[in-house]
Amino acid sequence: GAGVSQTPSNKVTEKGKYVELRCDPISGHTALYWYRQSLGQGPEFLIYFQGTGAADDSGLPNDRFFAVRPEGSVSTLKIQRTERGDSAVYLCASRSQSASAEAFFGQGTRLTVV
Amino acid sequence: GDSVTQMEGPVTLSEEACLTINCTYTATGYPSLFWYVQYPGEGLQLLLKATKADDKGSNKGFEATYRKETTSFHLEKGSVQVSDSAVYFCALSVLEYGNKLVFGAGTILRVKS
Repeated sequence: GAGVSQTPSNKVTEKGKYVELRCDPISGHTALYWYRQSLGQGPEFLIYFQGTGAADDSGLPNDRFFAVRPEGSVSTLKIQRTERGDSAVYLCASRSQSASAEAFFGQGTRLTVV
Repeated sequence: GDSVTQMEGPVTLSEEACLTINCTYTATGYPSLFWYVQYPGEGLQLLLKATKADDKGSNKGFEATYRKETTSFHLEKGSVQVSDSAVYFCALSVLEYGNKLVFGAGTILRVKS
């Protein structure tokens, strides 16, 4: 596709439920990043993939959060036993392999835990 | 750890006024610096960047200069338009850390006609 695509755009779930958020990066982009943006704040880094492997998952807040990128393209962020504090906009970005390449962001998934 | 501090908003200006949004950073490595913009209802877009000291990034009339001595990257525009109303984020990345972005909290800019 022309840009980074994230689905769904909005997700409302009940506390304790499991959710999956999908990111479809720009074709050919090897690096993929997940960020979380809470209301009134800047995006915060969660995890970074280079190809299929998670090169840096230091931003994942706890073991309820997990992400995969099995074929080096689409990535899924998975959140178990959701809590109200998980409510935020989850952003995905991708970039090409060049060290100076720009990161392109998707529109985000707005997750609301009720 | 690395961090970015930018001036709090909202900043409200009249059309054609001068804009400065301050941004300072702390980084352990040698960062690249960015300004991202988020227009209402849209995703984050790169506005401009600078990758080394004294570089000036510019785009759409906006400018920012990488000042290593003051660890700053202030965003400036000589004459703002209503269409510049948006949220502006200062950010840094370090190649050695996978180029993950560290963002400031964002500054809301409102331009009145």
